[in-house]
Amino acid sequence: KAGVTQTPRYLIKTRGQQVTLSCSPISGHRSVSWYQQTPGQGLQFLFEYFSETQRNKGNFPGRFSGRQFSNSRSEMNVSTLELGDSALYLCASSLSAVDGYTFGSGTRLTVV
Amino acid sequence: AQKITQTQPGMFVQEKEAVTLDCTYDTSDQSYGLFWYKQPSSGEMIFLIYQGSYDEQNATEGRYSLNFQKARKSANLVISASQLGDSAMYFCAMREGVVDDKIIFGKGTRLHILP
Repeated sequence: KAGVTQTPRYLIKTRGQQVTLSCSPISGHRSVSWYQQTPGQGLQFLFEYFSETQRNKGNFPGRFSGRQFSNSRSEMNVSTLELGDSALYLCASSLSAVDGYTFGSGTRLTVV
Repeated sequence: AQKITQTQPGMFVQEKEAVTLDCTYDTSDQSYGLFWYKQPSSGEMIFLIYQGSYDEQNATEGRYSLNFQKARKSANLVISASQLGDSAMYFCAMREGVVDDKIIFGKGTRLHILP
């Protein structure tokens, strides 16, 4: 079966711009979570959606937002980009609490 | 305070040897789940093994086993007969409770397998 699909794979943006990243979970998975991964901070939790509702939110500024659609696809948006937003953004979906996450390949965002 | 602690930033191990990656966790929940993930240089996170807090037996998946010591709040990953392809970052992670889907990750251990 198809895995978690993230688009685009790579992105270069300028400071001050905004960006939207997309994630299509595995069919049947209703939970989608987003993480930011940087060399210094490791994997940091951004937010988690379940059935179109944000169920958890990490400690990120309001410039980071997300949503989930009725087909479970999710998007995250970062407005007013800063250099420090350069990172690998990982999306993961899960079927249940014991199944763990299945991760996508990530979107590598570079802000210049 | 960190919820997941991986004290080994990097490790070098000879091929075919067994390797233990350390992980300690901190939670006051009775019900929680522990995970290990592998991240090769390609960047994709690969799920390796899961241990529930109520599981009495240590989890095993092929060459991977989880040495779960609940009283010590320890969940070490053991890789038997290491292979060159095992070279990667390894992350220990925890989910607290049974409904909350948020998983918290440790900082990771970079494992290098030497030929």
